[in-house]
Amino acid sequence: DIVMTQSPDSLAVSLGERATINCKSSQSIFHSPSSKSALNWYQLKPGQPPKLLLYWASTRESGVPDRFTGTGSGTDFTLTISSLQAEDVAVYFCQQFYTTPSFGPGTKVDVK
Amino acid sequence: EVQLLESGGGLVQPGGSLRLSCGASGFTFSEYTMAWVRQVPGKGLEWVSSIHGGDGVTYYAGSVKGRFIVSRDNSKNTLYLQMNSLRVEDTALYYCARSLSGEYSLWPYWGQGTLVTVSS
Repeated sequence: DIVMTQSPDSLAVSLGERATINCKSSQSIFHSPSSKSALNWYQLKPGQPPKLLLYWASTRESGVPDRFTGTGSGTDFTLTISSLQAEDVAVYFCQQFYTTPSFGPGTKVDVK
Repeated sequence: EVQLLESGGGLVQPGGSLRLSCGASGFTFSEYTMAWVRQVPGKGLEWVSSIHGGDGVTYYAGSVKGRFIVSRDNSKNTLYLQMNSLRVEDTALYYCARSLSGEYSLWPYWGQGTLVTVSS
């Protein structure tokens, strides 16, 4: 099974500043047929279901603000929120779908 | 509009059984792989099981294999999760989710979840 790790566990960023979350897979999740990495990012807020932000590591889901950007390939990935807004306070999870799906442990983002 | 509505959660004793349902609307149910994903309150997300739309092929997480059974009734647009031999560690909010397309496990559509509590 592929194990996903995330860092940091939590971070606090001032409004308007950049937030960066890292995600690492225990083996490469590069999907050769699509030439993309099989990696998704979700946002989870209390009382709400998870919200898909990015898939195939960098494709933004419809309606997701462009301040959310996904980068990386192979085993190392990054979610960047370019200018943190109050509504971005949440827990963020990466998830691989190269094999049976697995999630990272989550990164909590707060306002400093 | 895609809508998913879970039901069937509740309180059950260890060793007991429960059947969750997920009613779907707003899309051609039979064309999509569906999944169950759970969230332990205040903690992380865990994929539980998936089932293909057409051929009904099923997949399970190791933690539930042999105890849970996923199924679907395409004529009723409903997804099911039969949970047997429940353990305390199965306590979670259970979501059903629909894939974006194909069989890839990426889920833009989720229900609101149904809470399962396993306790004596």
